Amino acid sequence: AQSVAQPEDQVNVAEGNPLTVKCTYSVSGNPYLFWYVQYPNRGLQFLLKYITGDNLVKGSYGFEAEFNKSQTSFHLKKPSALVSDSALYFCAVRRWNSGNTPLVFGKGTRLSVIA
Amino acid sequence: AAGVIQSPRHLIKEKRETATLKCYPIPRHDTVYWYQQGPGQDPQFLISFYEKMQSDKGSIPDRFSAQQFSDYHSELNMSSLELGDSALYFCASSLRGSGNTIYFGEGSWLTVV
Repeated sequence: AQSVAQPEDQVNVAEGNPLTVKCTYSVSGNPYLFWYVQYPNRGLQFLLKYITGDNLVKGSYGFEAEFNKSQTSFHLKKPSALVSDSALYFCAVRRWNSGNTPLVFGKGTRLSVIA
Repeated sequence: AAGVIQSPRHLIKEKRETATLKCYPIPRHDTVYWYQQGPGQDPQFLISFYEKMQSDKGSIPDRFSAQQFSDYHSELNMSSLELGDSALYFCASSLRGSGNTIYFGEGSWLTVV
């Protein structure tokens, strides 16, 4: 079975500073890794994903994530945080399969960017 | 671009009543997923359909059922509602293949009173 751990319930960062939201995963076989963001009372918005290739993945709104196979991590990063980045961030994993495996989510990390 | 459409956006039901949620996937997407997100919780997978056939089953209660129709829209039927069913229900869609992105709708808020 696959699982995702987001060790921090809350991350606080000052506007303009770099931010990191941590994620580690466990899956048999090759992982497909995703980051989603959820604003209050809204749906889940796709940010970026790692399937194969370069370990550094760039996504929407200036976010990027680095896949590290040896550490089984997929941390989300942004060089300069904005107040509007404040939201709930979910890391998710899908097990490689020729079909349609569902996403398994972490518990989420609430990011608060302070002006 | 067209997104996943869910209806209704908000629903209030009493205990033991029945509720039906509808989902219209992104055009040409062949797979639909249903997730439940309780207050302060991560989304939990309920069930998925590929080409109108059940594909995977997660933690969906026996009181719930779902199906995907010939036009690819899907409905989640919930009966004998309990207070604990109060949650945000997401529908999502994708093209077949685990490397493909799953896109989520805005969700349907169900409140059971």
